[in-house]
Amino acid sequence: GQNIDQPTEMTATEGAIVQINCTYQTSGFNGLFWYQQHAGEAPTFLSYNVLDGLEEKGRFSSFLSRSKGYSYLLLKELQMKDSASYLCAVAPGGGNKLTFGTGTQLKVEL
Amino acid sequence: KAGVTQTPRYLIKTRGQQVTLSCSPISGHRSVSWYQQTPGQGLQFLFEYFSETQRNKGNFPGRFSGRQFSNSRSEMNVSTLELGDSALYLCASSWTAANQETQYFGPGTRLLVL
Repeated sequence: GQNIDQPTEMTATEGAIVQINCTYQTSGFNGLFWYQQHAGEAPTFLSYNVLDGLEEKGRFSSFLSRSKGYSYLLLKELQMKDSASYLCAVAPGGGNKLTFGTGTQLKVEL
Repeated sequence: KAGVTQTPRYLIKTRGQQVTLSCSPISGHRSVSWYQQTPGQGLQFLFEYFSETQRNKGNFPGRFSGRQFSNSRSEMNVSTLELGDSALYLCASSWTAANQETQYFGPGTRLLVL
């Protein structure tokens, strides 16, 4: 079966750093995606990891450990506009099918 | 380059009716995937089409169907609507069927079944 777990909600302070964790158990693995989704809007792509390690892209970084079935998204220098839902998704293999976690609702406060 | 477009954006139907949703991918993209998003279940994969062929299918009943045209535009149809079909339906497009390819999502069609 497919199982992806991430915290339901997180709160952080503007300017701080926050780490959103994702653990997965899937029948296959061909990469892990992170998407950001603001309320009422479409998900937008943030990062893709297929090999172990850290991928950095501006204020956002994503880490993957395939042996542990674990990933995290790191957001630095938080801004109010970062308040959104962050979705972890695994490509189990074969085509563009993605299996999503239920998302982590991040609230950034002053 | 224009993004993924979906029509209509909002739809209200009653139980038992059927509905057809449309998705136009980014120009040049040949893969279109459909997802259902609900507060309780999150984003769930419905199906994927590539070059007019269904490549993958999720765990949804046969009431959910789709197709893709030669210009890569895709439609999905839900027959005999149920209250539980109320959801945001998202389509995503990408250049290839390789899963390393970033998928770009459209704004979605919000369906309410009464």
